[in-house]
Amino acid sequence: AQSVTQPDIHITVSEGASLELRCNYSYGATPYLFWYVQSPGQGLQLLLKYFSGDTLVQGIKGFEAEFKRSQSSFNLRKPSVHWSDAAEYFCAVDGRGGGNKLTFGTGTQLKVEL
Amino acid sequence: GAVVSQHPSRVICKSGTSVKIECRSLDFQATTMFWYRQFPKQSLMLMATSNEGSKATYEQGVEKDKFLINHASLTLSTLTVTSAHPEDSSFYICSAGLAGAHEQFFGPGTRLTVL
Repeated sequence: AQSVTQPDIHITVSEGASLELRCNYSYGATPYLFWYVQSPGQGLQLLLKYFSGDTLVQGIKGFEAEFKRSQSSFNLRKPSVHWSDAAEYFCAVDGRGGGNKLTFGTGTQLKVEL
Repeated sequence: GAVVSQHPSRVICKSGTSVKIECRSLDFQATTMFWYRQFPKQSLMLMATSNEGSKATYEQGVEKDKFLINHASLTLSTLTVTSAHPEDSSFYICSAGLAGAHEQFFGPGTRLTVL
């Protein structure tokens, strides 16, 4: 079955520390991959996306993600976390099955300690 | 560009009443709109996909007679929760997609509370 897994429900990092949020997918072919961020009570903001080409993708707010086909992963990274990065992060996948339907991971809640 | 709005942002209603939520693409024409619901501390679950001028496609387990979706134009889709009950209380988020763009643009969400 097609699925998206975010293994970490909660992550706490200190401000200024590096961050990596994990995302694994299970699809027959390489899907379109997305990372979104959601602040409490808000909608989703797109951080970055991967469709094809360079496997290291740069996004907004200093985030980047690397697509690794061999590991079926699309992990999100940031070298130095800011307190304002505290939010919920969702990995999402468009399985290219038509209709642009997205399947979301369960999300990772990021807490930043000052 | 690619801004999506939702109205209202919050709504409180009594059990048994109906509530309509609007989703608008403000600066582009959306060939497809999507409706999601999100329970506290959980992920987004796709409820239905709607294409302008045609019937919505509902995900398994979503009652189409309870969650009425209308996509009358390329910039407006509405979700009506009919005969709402407390268990329908949730955060409803819409998104809009451009043909061939493989990307969805999300609205800010609507918090529905049914008393």
